[in-house]
Amino acid sequence: GAVVSQHPSRVICKSGTSVKIECRSLDFQATTMFWYRQFPKKSLMLMATSNEGSKATYEQGVEKDKFLINHASLTLSTLTVTSAHPEDSSFYICSARLASSPYEQYFGPGTRLTVT
Amino acid sequence: SQELEQSPQSLIVQEGKNLTINCTSSKTLYGLYWYKQKYGEGLIFLMMLQKGGEEKSHEKITAKLDEKKQQSSLHITASQPSHAGIYLCGADGETNDYKLSFGAGTTVTVRA
Repeated sequence: GAVVSQHPSRVICKSGTSVKIECRSLDFQATTMFWYRQFPKKSLMLMATSNEGSKATYEQGVEKDKFLINHASLTLSTLTVTSAHPEDSSFYICSARLASSPYEQYFGPGTRLTVT
Repeated sequence: SQELEQSPQSLIVQEGKNLTINCTSSKTLYGLYWYKQKYGEGLIFLMMLQKGGEEKSHEKITAKLDEKKQQSSLHITASQPSHAGIYLCGADGETNDYKLSFGAGTTVTVRA
């Protein structure tokens, strides 16, 4: 199947700083990528839909100014957590949808963010 | 929004035994996905079902979508340690925007 990578896999940052997470589709073009957040032993919560060349669409309750999403190319989307706080600590997972087969959605390995 | 309820929340099975996980939706399922996740890792796609009554199998894993398209089951035959992990069901909303809602997951432990 298609491969999606995320970088970094783990990051620790101090409160008040910003951290960027990258999501890349390695062997296919993804016009749409999704960002999810997962709390321990909880399900994935969709945060936003990232469309190449346009503004991201955020789910209700997700602060767009805090979670900045940029989809600069057909293979790269970035999530920047701005002015991070300890409550932002979580596991962030991205997924990418195949433009040629929209029902197929592949997930990245996730990024563990810890804010101290 | 669509809500998915998975049962059981967790289960322990002896190696070689069968197991079944259920996923029930509050609304009609237009696309039902099964994923496997190891703790702290990404999701591995297992199967996708769309049509009522559909059944798909891959190796020892079989997934079914009931006729009314509001429930799906995942069945593992003769479980092995490699089947241990968290199984998540995900569903497409009726708006066809490919946004997935997920169940809370079922943690499977396989004992040797």
